[in-house]
Amino acid sequence: EIVLTQSPATLSLSPGERATLSCRASQSVSSYLAWYQQKPGQAPRLLIYENSRRAPGIPARFSGSGSGTDFTLTISSLEPEDFAVYYCQQRRDWPLTFGGGTKVEIK
Amino acid sequence: QGQLVQSGAELRKPGASVKVSCKASGYIFTNFGICWVRQAPGQGLEWMGWISPNNGNTNYAPKLQGRVTMTTDTSTSTAYMDLRSLRSDDTAVYYCGRATRSNWCDLWGQGTLVTVSS
Repeated sequence: EIVLTQSPATLSLSPGERATLSCRASQSVSSYLAWYQQKPGQAPRLLIYENSRRAPGIPARFSGSGSGTDFTLTISSLEPEDFAVYYCQQRRDWPLTFGGGTKVEIK
Repeated sequence: QGQLVQSGAELRKPGASVKVSCKASGYIFTNFGICWVRQAPGQGLEWMGWISPNNGNTNYAPKLQGRVTMTTDTSTSTAYMDLRSLRSDDTAVYYCGRATRSNWCDLWGQGTLVTVSS
């Protein structure tokens, strides 16, 4: 199974700052990677799919990049509602797998 | 746009089974897959499996193979996830999601808390 490792585990930033989250795959997943956001008590929300495509309704401040084994989610300027946990997921191979998550918290 | 509504919280003893339902509305049920994901308390997301309502094809996470069965009822646009031989570490919130053709889950249910305790 493909293992996804996210770093850092926690990112402490202030509103308006840039957030850079990393996801590394144990083998190539091509561009078959997505990012989800989850807030406490809520279901996950799809942000980015196929590495860099924003899901409908997702603001332009969210962007995805990378390919193969190394991927990045960038939030260009953090809004108060962006403080949450972010997960990457691959669909390159069954079973689909998630990374362990990165918590973006208010500094 | 669509909506998924899940059944309510469940309490089970170790060794028992649980069946969680997920009713879809607002979209053509057979045009999308259904994914199941769970989240233990304070932990991350764990992908459990996928089913195609169109033909019943399934794919399960290896660690759950043999204990989980996913089914759908197209007449009611409802998906079901049946988990057997429950253990304490199955305690989690179970989510269903609508899976696109590329298997991304783009619409989610509200979650169902399953507690396994003697």
